[in-house]
Amino acid sequence: LAKTTQPISMDSYEGQEVNITCSHNNIATNDYITWYQQFPSQGPRFIIQGYKTKVTNEVASLFIPADRKSSTLSLPRVSLSDTAVYYCLVGVPNSGYSTLTFGKGTMLLVSP
Amino acid sequence: EPEVTQTPSHQVTQMGQEVILRCVPISNHLYFYWYRQILGQKVEFLVSFYNNEISEKSEIFDDQFSVERPDGSNFTLKIRSTKLEDSAMYFCASMQGGGYEQYFGPGTRLTVT
Repeated sequence: LAKTTQPISMDSYEGQEVNITCSHNNIATNDYITWYQQFPSQGPRFIIQGYKTKVTNEVASLFIPADRKSSTLSLPRVSLSDTAVYYCLVGVPNSGYSTLTFGKGTMLLVSP
Repeated sequence: EPEVTQTPSHQVTQMGQEVILRCVPISNHLYFYWYRQILGQKVEFLVSFYNNEISEKSEIFDDQFSVERPDGSNFTLKIRSTKLEDSAMYFCASMQGGGYEQYFGPGTRLTVT
């Protein structure tokens, strides 16, 4: 599995756009990039997954440059309820045995 | 929206006792997982289960641990003789098919005294 590096913590204010960048210099050709969110005392929740360029869903956008050595999770207009830990994972998702290897993630704190 | 459920939400047990943590995965899912998270630490993979057998397990999942799918809906994690260091939040997850979109339950907080 490719190693990922992301900031330990980030602070933001309500209504702002938040961009969390993840570095994965050793990403393999078949690897996808997946982001999970975890609220305190809850299980992780899938947010978004992508392979290249841009992916958008109702929650977030994921930007992946052409070299795929990094990716950016973009959360538009955050609210207090977006305070959580965000994990970037890299691997091949086409196997049913896709165990998830979580790092320490990025703790996002949204203030009023 | 379908969800993974886990019981109990909190279990307190004495060292050396056996505990069984229960999970009901989403009904049409085929792949099942247990993870744990010690307070303040990373989420760690324990075991994956598919087609009624373990498909992968981590080094944490030693002989004290076992998993079972006793019927078509439940998925259990048994710890035979609990240790203090087993105190953690235990998450069950399930997945429909190939991919990384695993659905996690709310967790069981296990406290070993």
